[in-house]
Amino acid sequence: AQSVTQPDIHITVSEGASLELRCNYSYGATPYLFWYVQSPGQGLQLLLKYFSGDTLVQGIKGFEAEFKRSQSSFNLRKPSVHWSDAAEYFCAVGARDDKIIFGKGTRLHILP
Amino acid sequence: GAGVSQSPRYKVAKRGQDVALRCDPISGHVSLFWYQQALGQGPEFLTYFQNEAQLDKSGLPSDRFFAERPEGSVSTLKIQRTQQEDSAVYLCASSFGGGKVQPQHFGDGTRLSIL
Repeated sequence: AQSVTQPDIHITVSEGASLELRCNYSYGATPYLFWYVQSPGQGLQLLLKYFSGDTLVQGIKGFEAEFKRSQSSFNLRKPSVHWSDAAEYFCAVGARDDKIIFGKGTRLHILP
Repeated sequence: GAGVSQSPRYKVAKRGQDVALRCDPISGHVSLFWYQQALGQGPEFLTYFQNEAQLDKSGLPSDRFFAERPEGSVSTLKIQRTQQEDSAVYLCASSFGGGKVQPQHFGDGTRLSIL
């Protein structure tokens, strides 16, 4: 069965610094991979997705992620964070059917 | 807007009461999902519809939880004889789906508090 691990529960970075959030997945075949962001009191918003093709995926709000099959990873990156990026970030993996399995999330804190 | 709409946004109930949570998906979306999100956790899958058919209910925690989508559009998640452990945010999502993985679009959730 597929699963997702986000090793970091909390991450704190200074505004303007670069960011990398880690995600490792478990799935036998080529996975469908997603990153979502959740602000307090709101639902999840899709940042980007990987289905196939180019392993470096561009998303909204200046985020990107790189699929590395050899490491079973799909880490999220941003070159320069803004205070408004403070939120909870969820990595997710989908299989052959419609279901998507979410990680437990990484809470991002931004220092002024 | 044309996003996923959930109501109510907040629901407070006494232990033992029944509650009903509503989800209005994006028009044309075939697949509809319910998730339970406990504080500080990721969304946990509850159940999944493709049109009006409930294809997977493996995540429902007990037989007190029941979901329906009778006309393949609006869905209702019902919890009978609520318990304190049912307190959580209930998220609804929809997608074009139809048996293929597609990005899911989420509503803002219903925060359920059981006293």
